[in-house]
Amino acid sequence: EDKVVQSPLSLVVHEGDTVTLNCSYEVTNFRSLLWYKQEKKAPTFLFMLTSSGIEKKSGRLSSILDKKELFSILNITATQTGDSAIYLCAVEATSNTGKLIFGQGTTLQVKP
Amino acid sequence: EAEVAQSPRYKITEKSQAVAFWCDPISGHATLYWYRQILGQGPELLVQFQDESVVDDSQLPKDRFSAERLKGVDSTLKIQPAELGDSAMYLCASSPQGRTQYFGPGTRLTVL
Repeated sequence: EDKVVQSPLSLVVHEGDTVTLNCSYEVTNFRSLLWYKQEKKAPTFLFMLTSSGIEKKSGRLSSILDKKELFSILNITATQTGDSAIYLCAVEATSNTGKLIFGQGTTLQVKP
Repeated sequence: EAEVAQSPRYKITEKSQAVAFWCDPISGHATLYWYRQILGQGPELLVQFQDESVVDDSQLPKDRFSAERLKGVDSTLKIQPAELGDSAMYLCASSPQGRTQYFGPGTRLTVL
């Protein structure tokens, strides 16, 4: 059965800290891995990763995929209170016609 | 910027009542998804449409849930009768075929 596991489930840091969120997966016929940020509403897209070792970067956020070890990390540097959210990892398999399999999410709280 | 629209944003109902949720995808997006997100978990796909056809409804509880997308544009998800365990966020997403999914704001359902 396809599975996505995120860790930690929750994290509390102070502004300015750097955080690393983890996502491991077991999926047949992997196609891509996606990261979403969810505040008190719908998930918003952050990154799509398809190739190992190529870092995707957007401002203070970056992510990388390891297809050999079947995991991805999402890094946030110099955290701000506005980064407080649930971060969701999802995997798409080629056999699933676009269906995303989500992990349970990591709840990040950034304190001033 | 085009967005996925959903209504209502919040719905409170009593168990055994019928409820319906509406989703209007981004114009031109052929693929539409309905997800259910229980508090503390990641979204889980209920049904996927390609134009007006159902592509995947393997996780849809068909004894009480139904979904339609009659003209291949907007979609309705219905629950009849609602049960306490149906309390969750119902998310609609759309994508151009084979591309990134964009989520609507969701409908938060509370069943009393």
